[in-house]
Amino acid sequence: QKEVEQNSGPLSVPEGAIASLNCTYSDRGSQSFFWYRQYSGKSPELIMSIYSNGDKEDGRFTAQLNKASQYVSLLIRDSQPSDSATYLCAVNMDSNAGGTSYGKLTFGQGTILTVHP
Amino acid sequence: GAVVSQHPSWVICKSGTSVKIECRSLDFQATTMFWYRQFPKQSLMLMATSNEGSKATYEQGVEKDKFLINHASLTLSTLTVTSAHPEDSSFYICSAGSGEMWETQYFGPGTRLLVL
Repeated sequence: QKEVEQNSGPLSVPEGAIASLNCTYSDRGSQSFFWYRQYSGKSPELIMSIYSNGDKEDGRFTAQLNKASQYVSLLIRDSQPSDSATYLCAVNMDSNAGGTSYGKLTFGQGTILTVHP
Repeated sequence: GAVVSQHPSWVICKSGTSVKIECRSLDFQATTMFWYRQFPKQSLMLMATSNEGSKATYEQGVEKDKFLINHASLTLSTLTVTSAHPEDSSFYICSAGSGEMWETQYFGPGTRLLVL
């Protein structure tokens, strides 16, 4: 069974610190990786997508991908109380060209992040 | 860009009735739409994948006769929960992707269903 695993947390960091969120996935052939943020009672919103090994930075967010280790992470620098949310790692494990299942994501269980002042 | 809307945002119904939820892509054409369900303190569970003009593909364990999906146009998909029961109470979320950015899914705001 194809799986995505995250530390459920909760992860608590002080304001201004770096928050590090981790995710592993089981399908070595996966090509597309996403981080979503979900506030309580709301739907997920896309933070980052990453497709190639290495780092991808967007503002205070950095996604890191290591396909050999089947590992993807999200770093949040200068964490703010408004970053407190559940962070969902999502992996596209069905990237078959022409297949009807393209774009289908498998989600991890989410990591609850709390940034305290 | 990439805005997805859902209607209604809240619905309360009696057991045995049917409820229709609409999902619209507002500024792009959605080749594929996805329907998820999320119970409290749990992650998203994919229910079905909906492709415009064809039958939806349901995930294992999801009753296709109970959760009717129609993707009649490139901007609209509907999910109908037929003969709803209290155990169907959940947060239903749709997402949409397009042919150009098919790998990225953008989520609607969700519909909270309460079946009494």
